[in-house]
Amino acid sequence: AQSVTQPDIHITVSEGASLELRCNYSYGATPYLFWYVQSPGQGLQLLLKYFSGDTLVQGIKGFEAEFKRSQSSFNLRKPSVHWSDAAEYFCAVHYGQNFVFGPGTRLSVLP
Amino acid sequence: GAVVSQHPSRVICKSGTSVKIECRSLDFQATTMFWYRQFPKKSLMLMATSNEGSKATYEQGVEKDKFLINHASLTLSTLTVTSAHPEDSSFYICSARPPGVTEAFFGQGTRLTVV
Repeated sequence: AQSVTQPDIHITVSEGASLELRCNYSYGATPYLFWYVQSPGQGLQLLLKYFSGDTLVQGIKGFEAEFKRSQSSFNLRKPSVHWSDAAEYFCAVHYGQNFVFGPGTRLSVLP
Repeated sequence: GAVVSQHPSRVICKSGTSVKIECRSLDFQATTMFWYRQFPKKSLMLMATSNEGSKATYEQGVEKDKFLINHASLTLSTLTVTSAHPEDSSFYICSARPPGVTEAFFGQGTRLTVV
């Protein structure tokens, strides 16, 4: 069965520091991969997506992610975190008509 | 990008009553919409797939008689929580995809509190 894991439940970084959020997936075919961000009490906003081609994808708000097939990973990165990046981040795999979401990683940003 | 609007954003209801949540695709037609439930500090769990003009497809373990889904038009799907109980309190989110697009767009979510 398809599954998505995000090993880090909660990460705290200082403002201006770099960030990497991990995501691993289990999926038999070439996956469509997504990263979404959710602010408290809000819906989900798409940060970036990978379908095919260049394995390093750029998203909004300065985020990027790298697809590594050999590691079944799609880690999210940002070189310099802003206080407004504090939120919940979800990695997702699309299959069929549905999405499978990871458990999420909560990001806290220290001033 | 495409816009999905969900209403209401927050609702409080008494136990035993029913609550209706609306999900609208504002600038595209959606033959399929999805309803998710999110428990506190948890991920999104797909509840059901709403199909325009036909019955919804429910995920295993989701009570179809409790969570009524109607997708009467290409831009509107509704989720009705019937005979609500406090354990139904949760954050409900809908999503939809424009035709030919893999990316899903999400509504703002509805915080349901049953007292």
